[in-house]
Amino acid sequence: AQSVTQLDSHVSVSEGTPVLLRCNYSSSYSPSLFWYVQHPNKGLQLLLKYTSAATLVKGINGFEAEFKKSETSFHLTKPSAHMSDAAEYFCVVSEANQAGTALIFGKGTTLSVSS
Amino acid sequence: NAGVTQTPKFRVLKTGQSMTLLCAQDMNHEYMYWYRQDPGMGLRLIHYSVGEGTTAKGEVPDGYNVSRLKKQNFLLGLESAAPSQTSVYFCASSRDPTLAYEQYFGPGTRLTVT
Repeated sequence: AQSVTQLDSHVSVSEGTPVLLRCNYSSSYSPSLFWYVQHPNKGLQLLLKYTSAATLVKGINGFEAEFKKSETSFHLTKPSAHMSDAAEYFCVVSEANQAGTALIFGKGTTLSVSS
Repeated sequence: NAGVTQTPKFRVLKTGQSMTLLCAQDMNHEYMYWYRQDPGMGLRLIHYSVGEGTTAKGEVPDGYNVSRLKKQNFLLGLESAAPSQTSVYFCASSRDPTLAYEQYFGPGTRLTVT
């Protein structure tokens, strides 16, 4: 069965410094991977997704993630944090061979950005 | 185009009371989902539907029932609410997830059971 592990429950950065949110996955097959963001008291919004095309995926708001099959990782990065990036981030996996299966969510990483 | 909407936004129930949460989507998506979000737990799937008239159990289905009588609506019912069901509930919809279409989420319903 597939699973997702977000290695940090909380990450704190200063505005203008790089962001790294780490995610490892376990999947028996070729997975589809997603990063979602949730701002306080809001629903979830898709940041980016990997679907077996390019291993470096670019998303909205300057975020990108790199799929590394050998490391079973899908870490999220941004070169320069902005105050508006403070939110909770979820790494998500979906296996393409299971029709109708919903997404499996990691437990989330809270990103704090200080000025 | 409203996307995914949820009704109500907030609700307080007493133990043993019942209620229904309504989710509506206007994107003609086949798949719809109900999740609950608890602190430190991420989102956990309660029930989902792969099309009108179909439902299936997710990871945490106990104490909940669902119905999908119309393609655009997905209802989540609590027949006898318990304090353990205090949570934030999110509805989502998507095209075929096996093709890696993303899910679109509603704004959530915050439910408190006393």
